[in-house]
Amino acid sequence: QQQVKQSPQSLIVQKGGISIINCAYENTAFDYFPWYQQFPGKGPALLIAIRPDVSEKKEGRFTISFNKSAKQFSLHIMDSQPGDSATYFCAATSGKAAGNKLTFGGGTRVLVKP
Amino acid sequence: DTAVSQTPKYLVTQMGNDKSIKCEQNLGHDTMYWYKQDSKKFLKIMFSYNNKELIINETVPNRFSPKSPDKAHLNLHINSLELGDSAVYFCASSQDFSQPQHFGDGTRLSIL
Repeated sequence: QQQVKQSPQSLIVQKGGISIINCAYENTAFDYFPWYQQFPGKGPALLIAIRPDVSEKKEGRFTISFNKSAKQFSLHIMDSQPGDSATYFCAATSGKAAGNKLTFGGGTRVLVKP
Repeated sequence: DTAVSQTPKYLVTQMGNDKSIKCEQNLGHDTMYWYKQDSKKFLKIMFSYNNKELIINETVPNRFSPKSPDKAHLNLHINSLELGDSAVYFCASSQDFSQPQHFGDGTRLSIL
């Protein structure tokens, strides 16, 4: 049972374009939603995260939009650059209640073409 | 300095062998984790430890035995390796259960 569903599996965008990745979750106990960026041969690196008390969070070119009623959240990468080419994972956790275990989406491979 | 470091980076071995992966974090964190990333890149929690105490064992076969000699280290020992154990194993740490997790660069385990 996949508790966090992520789409699309892959995405190709032109340099300067917008990349949009969507995630949906089932467990209403989740209270922290991070996004991780992973380059080949490297571990996932925290990119940006949100808690359900806000509907949007922006850090530089990266924005999370959160819809609590729909149990969905998304990552927008503005002005996409070739260096953004990586695999992106959404995740969710219910924190201490679940030992802070992260439940990951299946990942989205993003390719930014120059 | 690397915050979460794992050794070895690559591990190639035969079925039936026993192997260990070491993890060390120099962030002063209290909580450490092991995750498994399969060939389709799906990431799944295996274990979490807090102050050397096991908190989560996510239905992992008992051939996998984590050991935490101190707060900065969480090693993973695997007995009787099977083909299905081939994966990338990631160690992570966080300050506590409410803080973000920081990942190491992984150990790619290949079973021949």
